[in-house]
Amino acid sequence: SQTIHQWPATLVQPVGSPLSLECTVEGTSNPNLYWYRQAAGRGLQLLFYSVGIGQISSEVPQNLSASRPQDRQFILSSKKLLLSDSGFYLCAWGGLAGVEQFFGPGTRLTVL
Amino acid sequence: RKEVEQDPGPFNVPEGATVAFNCTYSNSASQSFFWYRQDCRKEPKLLMSVYSSGNEDGRFTAQLNRASQYISLLIRDSKLSDSATYLCVVPFSGGYQKVTFGTGTKLQVIP
Repeated sequence: SQTIHQWPATLVQPVGSPLSLECTVEGTSNPNLYWYRQAAGRGLQLLFYSVGIGQISSEVPQNLSASRPQDRQFILSSKKLLLSDSGFYLCAWGGLAGVEQFFGPGTRLTVL
Repeated sequence: RKEVEQDPGPFNVPEGATVAFNCTYSNSASQSFFWYRQDCRKEPKLLMSVYSSGNEDGRFTAQLNRASQYISLLIRDSKLSDSATYLCVVPFSGGYQKVTFGTGTKLQVIP
């Protein structure tokens, strides 16, 4: 069966510091991968998605970036965090059509 | 019209009650829809899919009204453990590999 891992589970970072969040998927090949952010009390905002190694589509222009160095690895990064980057970051994988998506446990990021 | 809209609630219902949520969508070409459940401070989890014929799983029934462009989720015999936020999901109108999540409807089942 497929599983999806994210780490760390929680993170507290100062403004201006870098960020690296990692997501890995097991049990499936060539998945579509997604990064979402959920601000407190808000809906899910799609940040990036990837249909293959090295292929990244950005949904929201901001100070975040994503990379997919391996088929089942998806990384979210920032060079300098802003206060507004605080939120619950969720990685998800989906099949070719991408309509059913399955989420990892998420990373709760607080930027101070 | 927004791609997907949900009543945020909260819906406060007693145990054993029947409760229904609706979700409206704008893309008339959408073929498949989903309901997710999100517990507080947890990731969303797929609850059930909704196709033209509807779907039933135990106490949960999901239906599609294509003419009025909404989907519904009916929960019978509510349990305390049903307390959560229910997210409606529709395919993104601009691409088949993305979906749009509603902001969710919060359900609180009261003893």
